[in-house]
Amino acid sequence: KAGVTQTPRYLIKTRGQQVTLSCSPISGHRSVSWYQQTPGQGLQFLFEYFSETQRNKGNFPGRFSGRQFSNSRSEMNVSTLELGDSALYLCASSFGLAGDEQYFGPGTRLTVT
Amino acid sequence: GQQLNQSPQSMFIQEGEDVSMNCTSSSIFNTWLWYKQDPGEGPVLLIALYKAGELTSNGRLTAQFGITRKDSFLNISASIPSDVGIYFCAGRRRGNEKLTFGTGTRLTIIP
Repeated sequence: KAGVTQTPRYLIKTRGQQVTLSCSPISGHRSVSWYQQTPGQGLQFLFEYFSETQRNKGNFPGRFSGRQFSNSRSEMNVSTLELGDSALYLCASSFGLAGDEQYFGPGTRLTVT
Repeated sequence: GQQLNQSPQSMFIQEGEDVSMNCTSSSIFNTWLWYKQDPGEGPVLLIALYKAGELTSNGRLTAQFGITRKDSFLNISASIPSDVGIYFCAGRRRGNEKLTFGTGTRLTIIP
């Protein structure tokens, strides 16, 4: 069974731009969660989608948004990028809601200059 | 956001040594998960625990769900070079709440 895939793996953007990251979950998984990982803050929960609906949301500004499609694929968007948004963005999928065993993708390394 | 307390933050050991780390919380958790992350990659699920007192093994790895439900432990026996990485615990308190992650334990093997 193929694992969680994320595209792109690496991204360099300029402050003020926007970015869209993509995540394809494991086949059959209906929940997708997004996390931001930085050396100082560790793994921080962004949001979780299940059956195209946002079920949980972390404490991030409205510049961070996401959506899930009918095939469970998910996208995450960050608008008006700031230098502090530089991080590894991880997507995790699970069969049920976030409490189930989550399987992570390799992440997208975003660098904002 | 809230994070679980993991200790130690880092460990420097020699190959062949056993390793112990733990994760604690002030809240009761219903699920504990342990992950390992290699540099530049996403965390990989090692062990999942669902009942207080549960002891589960995965090869040389053994994890336990604390009986108070406020802590969990991970042991690695006879460490090898590929054990190097960062180990994270994660817990879910109840219902459909999101997972909360620990601060991580960085394991380094000294030649």
